[in-house]
Formats: sequence, C-alpha cells, structure tokens
Amino acid sequence: AQTVTQSQPEMSVQEAETVTLSCTYDTSESDYYLFWYKQPPSRQMILVIRQEAYKQQNATENRFSVNFQKAAKSFSLKISDSQLGDAAMYFCAYRSKRLYNTDKLIFGTGTRLQVFP
Amino acid sequence: GAVVSQHPSRVICKSGTSVKIECRSLDFQATTMFWYRQFPKQSLMLMATSNEGSKATYEQGVEKDKFLINHASLTLSTLTVTSAHPEDSSFYICSATRQGVYTGELFFGEGSRLTVL
Repeated sequence: AQTVTQSQPEMSVQEAETVTLSCTYDTSESDYYLFWYKQPPSRQMILVIRQEAYKQQNATENRFSVNFQKAAKSFSLKISDSQLGDAAMYFCAYRSKRLYNTDKLIFGTGTRLQVFP
Repeated sequence: GAVVSQHPSRVICKSGTSVKIECRSLDFQATTMFWYRQFPKQSLMLMATSNEGSKATYEQGVEKDKFLINHASLTLSTLTVTSAHPEDSSFYICSATRQGVYTGELFFGEGSRLTVL
C-alpha cells in the first residue's frame, strides 16, 4: 500500500523569504500523480501544484515549485517570495494511475505554514 | 470550471437523528466521488469511494450502515449520517473526478461541519 509522509508538522517563514516543505512517499508503482494541496482556514482544499511521475521536469506554478526525486521518492514544495496569504495547512498527496479516475488520493499528515510579516 | 458544491456547510443536530450532506458537481459530470472526514488539525481520512449507479466502496473501519452514501447521478452524491452521535461530529469533505479527463486532479467541495449535540 502507498503511504505519504510529511515530517514537518509546522514551519514558519518571513514574508518575501523562501521556504521548503518536505514530503516522502512509498510506492511500488512506476507512474503516478503527486500533488500539493493548500487548506487555508476556510478549509477549502486548493490545488497548488501537480506532478506526473513519468515527467522528469519539476513542475512549477508561479512562486511554487517542486523538487521531484523519483528514485528517492521525495517530493518537496518550494515557496518563493512568501506572502501572508500563503499561511495555511499544506498536504502532500499521492494518486495511483492504476484505475484511472477511480483511484483515491492518499494524503500526508500535513504541514502548517506560518508566514510572519 | 470544475466547481464542486457541498450543502449544508454547517449543520447541528441532536443525538439520534440523521443528517444528509449533498455534494454536487456544478459544471461537469463526475463519475467518481470521494468522501473524506477530517478531525481538527488532522489530515483527510478517506471514508468511501462512490461511483455513479453502483454501491459505494467503504474504507476499512468505516461503518456502512452508519454512513450511507448514494451516487444517484453524475452530478450528485449524498452522505447520510444515520443515528448521529457526538463522536460523529467532524468536518466532512467530498471530492470528484471529472468524467473523461485524466489529469489526476480531484476537485473538492467546501466541506460540511457536522456538530452532534
């Protein structure tokens, strides 16, 4: 069974600085999806970034980028130029491609990010 | 596009009553919907996977008779908490996959906070 581990329960960063959130996972599959979701105080889950395992290039979305190390099964999220609005709970998630759209999303335990002015 | 709406967003009920939570995909057809439960400051725990027109698949440890899931159409899934008790108080979140689109992304509802008195 696949597992996702986030070893940092809490992180903090100063506004305009850069922070990296860690995520490791375990799987025997060769192709899959990895995601970072953000959950602000409103509790709405927001997709931050998505990576397909077969793609070697690291995904980027504006100030958000990932460092995807497939062999090490590591998927860290880098937030550049941090803003107050980035403060939230961040979840790393894994999704198999085995059953197409019926595969479930497996979440890590989350990292709470605080941003200080 | 890809909006998922949950209703109600908050519900308070007395112990022993049943509560129904609706999850609707507003602008797409969802062949598969997932129901998650989230305790305060914890991750999302998958309760069940529902496919349109068939019985839901429940995760181990989730009581089928307690949490009734119906996915009667491609745009609506419902979760009914039967004979609710205070320990059922939680935040319930639904998510959906878009029919015919294989990006791996799940679209989340806003969540429903259930409080059982």
